[in-house]
Amino acid sequence: EPEVTQTPSHQVTQMGQEVILRCVPISNHLYFYWYRQILGQKVEFLVSFYNNEISEKSEIFDDQFSVERPDGSNFTLKIRSTKLEDSAMYFCASFRGARSGANVLTFGAGSRLTVL
Amino acid sequence: SQQGEEDPQALSIQEGENATMNCSYKTSINNLQWYRQNSGRGLVHLILIRSNEREKHSGRLRVTLDTSKKSSSLLITASRAADTASYFCATDFNDYKLSFGAGTTVTVRA
Repeated sequence: EPEVTQTPSHQVTQMGQEVILRCVPISNHLYFYWYRQILGQKVEFLVSFYNNEISEKSEIFDDQFSVERPDGSNFTLKIRSTKLEDSAMYFCASFRGARSGANVLTFGAGSRLTVL
Repeated sequence: SQQGEEDPQALSIQEGENATMNCSYKTSINNLQWYRQNSGRGLVHLILIRSNEREKHSGRLRVTLDTSKKSSSLLITASRAADTASYFCATDFNDYKLSFGAGTTVTVRA
């Protein structure tokens, strides 16, 4: 069964460092998302991406965050200068597109980011 | 906020019992979905119910939706140890994102 793959599974970084989290969505999917989950808390929407541009972003997704899909395959989330409060599990998700029906998302297993 | 809110936060039941959890949301939706998350893993889609549906079944899962009360319930019948997980409702009001609640953590005791 097709799956969304994320790397790395766990990254430890120092505060102020740049981090790039990578995702390979399902190949025929058109919509891509990043969510995050601070330990034990709710799953929070960060950003959605369609047709090579951001469709929507949340208040969390400030200037420190960026996304891109450089090669039509990988979908990356960059955090420019990490803060302690960025420590969380980051989930990538994809969705085939509106013509397939309701937006059932397929999630990756997540990348755990620990900022020291 | 559009986010669904699940209730209870945590639920502990004996294997074979039924587990019921509820979700409330704030604005009109296109559909409501339930996802499951095993510890430390990603979310897996369980079931979707559209705004014009009232009840839906999938295996041991039964979902109800009451749009007048802006609420949904997920029932897991004859629970098994493998059902131990967190369960999230997700609401959709546009094509671009789902909004998740904080989840209900279900523990099924053998």
